[in-house]
Amino acid sequence: ELKVEQNPLFLSMQEGKNYTIYCNYSTTSDRLYWYRQDPGKSLESLFVLLSNGAVKQEGRLMASLDTKARLSTLHITAAVHDLSATYFCAVDMVSNYQLIWGAGTKLIIKP
Amino acid sequence: DTGVSQDPRHKITKRGQNVTFRCDPISEHNRLYWYRQTLGQGPEFLTYFQNEAQLEKSRLLSDRFSAERPKGSFSTLEIQRTEQGDSAMYLCASSLILGTGQFFGPGTRLTVL
Repeated sequence: ELKVEQNPLFLSMQEGKNYTIYCNYSTTSDRLYWYRQDPGKSLESLFVLLSNGAVKQEGRLMASLDTKARLSTLHITAAVHDLSATYFCAVDMVSNYQLIWGAGTKLIIKP
Repeated sequence: DTGVSQDPRHKITKRGQNVTFRCDPISEHNRLYWYRQTLGQGPEFLTYFQNEAQLEKSRLLSDRFSAERPKGSFSTLEIQRTEQGDSAMYLCASSLILGTGQFFGPGTRLTVL
């Protein structure tokens, strides 16, 4: 059974600091996705990582994928308050069409 | 607006009533997914369509839940004899092909009194 674990589940940080969110998964998959969710809102696609070594950057966020280690990271550089949200990673099941989701990381960035 | 749309955005109902939600995917997307999300949790997969065919349904989904996508375009999710435990956000997503990511609609928030 594919399991996806995120850590930390909660993160409070100051503006201007750097931090990394980790996403580990338990079985083979070459496709990993990062989403953002604001309170009471739906999910916004941030990054689609489709191969080992993939790295994508958008503004202050950078995501990477190491399929051999079954690990993805979401790195936040010089955090700003607008990045406060819950961040989810999700992994494709190779055998069917489901996305298996992590529990989410609630990120609070204090001015 | 060419994104995924869902209707209604909010639904309040009494226990035992039936409810139906609608999802309109991005027009060229042939894959459509339904998820349920409760507060503080990640989305829980409910079911998946490729065109009009329902290819996967969660083992956790009770027989009170049914979904259709009659012409391979919009989809409906019906919950019969609602229970308080059905209160959640119901999310619809669509995608083009495997590996391109799923795009989510705004969700329908269901409250069962």
